Amino acid sequence: AQRVTQPEKLLSVFKGAPVELKCNYSYSGSPELFWYVQYSRQRLQLLLRHISRESIKGFTADLNKGETSFHLKKPFAQEEDSAMYYCALSGYSGGGADGLTFGKGTHLIIQP
Amino acid sequence: KAGVTQTPRYLIKTRGQQVTLSCSPISGHRSVSWYQQTPGQGLQFLFEYFSETQRNKGNFPGRFSGRQFSNSRSEMNVSTLELGDSALYLCASSLGHTGTDTQYFGPGTRLTVL
Repeated sequence: AQRVTQPEKLLSVFKGAPVELKCNYSYSGSPELFWYVQYSRQRLQLLLRHISRESIKGFTADLNKGETSFHLKKPFAQEEDSAMYYCALSGYSGGGADGLTFGKGTHLIIQP
Repeated sequence: KAGVTQTPRYLIKTRGQQVTLSCSPISGHRSVSWYQQTPGQGLQFLFEYFSETQRNKGNFPGRFSGRQFSNSRSEMNVSTLELGDSALYLCASSLGHTGTDTQYFGPGTRLTVL
């Protein structure tokens, strides 16, 4: 069974400080990993995915297969980063890619 | 390009009734997935449809079912509603495979079961 764990329900940091949102996963194969973000009163949207190795809005995430982690990082937090962040995993079964398994989410608050 | 739309946005039902929710994907998208979001369980995958075929199903009872039409629009049905079915139901569409293509989410349908 696949599982995604986000240990922090709430993370509060000051503007300009570094941010790290933790994500650990459990999956026996090679998963696809994603970070989704939901800003206030907006839809859930993709922030980044490990396969593309992009940096979006200054955020990066590295897949560490040894530690089964996919932490989200940003060197300098901005107030507009305040949002709900979800880590998600998609595995593969015999029928193809499975649906996304989401973590419970971390509410990031950036204080001025 | 218009985003994913879901109707209705809000719904109130009583226990034992059934409900049908609708999702219109982004034009050209062939995959539609459904998720249930509750404060206790978070976001949970219900099922995925691709070209009118159910491709994957999450761990939900048979009361939850869905279908997809030839125009990729999808509906999900919940029969014999229970109080615990109260949730935000999200639909997401993507071009192809859920696991590889970006999913675009709708605003959700808020279902309240009394």
